Amino acid sequence: NAGVTQTPKFQVLKTGQSMTLQCAQDMNHEYMSWYRQDPGMGLRLIHYSVGAGITDQGEVPNGYNVSRSTTEDFPLRLLSAAPSQTSVYFCASSWGSGTMNTEAFFGQGTRLTVV
Amino acid sequence: DQQVKQNSPSLSVQEGRISILNCDYTNSMFDYFLWYKKYPAEGPTFLISISSIKDKNEDGRFTVFLNKSAKHLSLHIVPSQPGDSAVYFCAARKDYGQNFVFGPGTRLSVLP
Repeated sequence: NAGVTQTPKFQVLKTGQSMTLQCAQDMNHEYMSWYRQDPGMGLRLIHYSVGAGITDQGEVPNGYNVSRSTTEDFPLRLLSAAPSQTSVYFCASSWGSGTMNTEAFFGQGTRLTVV
Repeated sequence: DQQVKQNSPSLSVQEGRISILNCDYTNSMFDYFLWYKKYPAEGPTFLISISSIKDKNEDGRFTVFLNKSAKHLSLHIVPSQPGDSAVYFCAARKDYGQNFVFGPGTRLSVLP
């Protein structure tokens, strides 16, 4: 099993450009999420999905869009990149739902720089 | 306002000694806590967790203690090994789902 796979690993964008960060998991997990990591701030939740066709906003959703058409894939779209979106982005998945005590599995991350 | 705090940005420990990483939280509704380890250029990997109905959980060299009244948890690593050198994140579950709130991390260096 590959686990959670993110592409690309690195990306440089110009301000105003759009792009999609890809995330795929092969563990048949229902729950998937996107976090961003900034220095001194830990990981912050951007968007999440509890299953195909269902998405919701996390703590820092502005400037990002998501969709979940399949169980495996959960892409994150930057609509119009801004320097404040320079960060490391992590996709995660977990098999649990509701009150189940389970951990999240993370991808290797995408380091995005917006100039 | 950070709901999960790790007040020590870094910690250095000699190989073979105990490492103690601390975490404090403010939201009494958190019911499940986890520790993640992260190496450079990799994603966080799950280390150990504890439910709010317990006060201790052990897994090999790793033990997590939870003090609910103080809203404090700690991770003990005994004995510490150079391969344990990494950034450790404390995380707490919010709102019963699978969403986690992370602390800012503590960088542990285990010196040979």
